[in-house]
Amino acid sequence: SAVISQKPSRDICQRGTSLTIQCQVDSQVTMMFWYRQQPGQSLTLIATANQGSEATYESGFVIDKFPISRPNLTFSTLTVSNMSPEDSSIYLCSVERSGGPGETQYFGPGTRLLVL
Amino acid sequence: AQTVTQSQPEMSVQEAETVTLSCTYDTSESDYYLFWYKQPPSRQMILVIRQEAYKQQNATENRFSVNFQKAAKSFSLKISDSQLGDAAMYFCAYRTTGPVTSQGAQKLVFGQGTRLTINP
Repeated sequence: SAVISQKPSRDICQRGTSLTIQCQVDSQVTMMFWYRQQPGQSLTLIATANQGSEATYESGFVIDKFPISRPNLTFSTLTVSNMSPEDSSIYLCSVERSGGPGETQYFGPGTRLLVL
Repeated sequence: AQTVTQSQPEMSVQEAETVTLSCTYDTSESDYYLFWYKQPPSRQMILVIRQEAYKQQNATENRFSVNFQKAAKSFSLKISDSQLGDAAMYFCAYRTTGPVTSQGAQKLVFGQGTRLTINP
């Protein structure tokens, strides 16, 4: 398994502002992902954070709204830009050690975001 | 695209009894992976159990076991001797074995979740 921490654990933000969420892993991992979990809903993948290159975004998510950085193999950030109340969600980081087809994904504790 | 369906939004069980959570999925692939994750109120997603589609034997982890019916595309989770700490949202998830370089090839597709309540 992997020990994953996220900062902040929760935040309340005003619309139009931006928030950067950090994800830190206790050891090097190949794959890092960002998910969104809207209230009462399941998890939806936002993007795959690629080390040293631009993130790979899922349909419906764009870089201007959710810029992602991954400067090394243990750290990634997700920014939620120009926030609106519809962005109120839990944002989760997940990792895979090697990225193989049978790999298990481990999740961070999540960041609960409320946009007023 | 693959889809995962959990038809039970909520379930409840008496402590120490057994409960089964249902999951069905739709795919045209023959090889894939299935997972059950647990999300307690703390929000931390925890892996409960995993199943490789090419294995006929059902996976078991202590009190947790699955009933994997590949032809029926069904993947139910059985929790035996339910404990208060089992109370959580349970998510069924599907993962393709597509090439690593394909966009989204490694993503997990989640069901809607089942909220499990344990009655003391």
